[in-house]
Amino acid sequence: EIVLTQSPGTLSLSPGERATLSCRASQSVSSNYLAWYQQKPGQAPRLLIHGASSRATGIPDRFSGSGSGTDFTLTISRLEPEDFAVYYCHQSATSPFTFGQGTNLEIK
Amino acid sequence: EVQLLESGGGLVQSGGSLRLSCAASGFTFRSYGMSWVRQAPGKGLEWVSVISDGGGAAYYAGSVKGRFTISRENSKNTLYLQMNSLGAEDTAVYYCARASGSYRTPLDHWGQGTLVTVSA
Repeated sequence: EIVLTQSPGTLSLSPGERATLSCRASQSVSSNYLAWYQQKPGQAPRLLIHGASSRATGIPDRFSGSGSGTDFTLTISRLEPEDFAVYYCHQSATSPFTFGQGTNLEIK
Repeated sequence: EVQLLESGGGLVQSGGSLRLSCAASGFTFRSYGMSWVRQAPGKGLEWVSVISDGGGAAYYAGSVKGRFTISRENSKNTLYLQMNSLGAEDTAVYYCARASGSYRTPLDHWGQGTLVTVSA
């Protein structure tokens, strides 16, 4: 099973700042099958990034993804108030598919 | 508009069974892989299972393998999750989600979830 480890667990930042979230895989993951999701309290997750770096439909360009192999990054260039949420990386390259444990992005 | 509506959740005793359903609309259901993802109270997301568009391939998380069965009825645009031998660790909100294409593609639409509570 591929284990995805996200860091940090909690990230405290202010609106307007830049956020960098990390996702490290226990073995190499094809970029085609690495995605990022955003989840707000009481809501279902929302797809942000697929194929490691492609924005999903309707996602603002302040969100960007990068990385390959075992190291992937989600960057939010300038935080808006609505961006404070929990973020998960997810691999669907190899069964069993897995999620990272999440990064809680909170307002400082 | 893509819509996914889960049902079938509720309170069940430990060792019991439950079948979840997910009614899909707004897209050609038979053309997409489908997944179940769960979230225990206050915890992160856990992938549970996936099924291919035609139903010929299905995969499971180790924590549910041998106890849960995913299936689909394309003629009824409905996804199912049969859950047997339930334990407290299965208490969670269960989401159905559509893969954007084949079963390995990202999950681009999600239902609102149905809560399953397993009592001791």
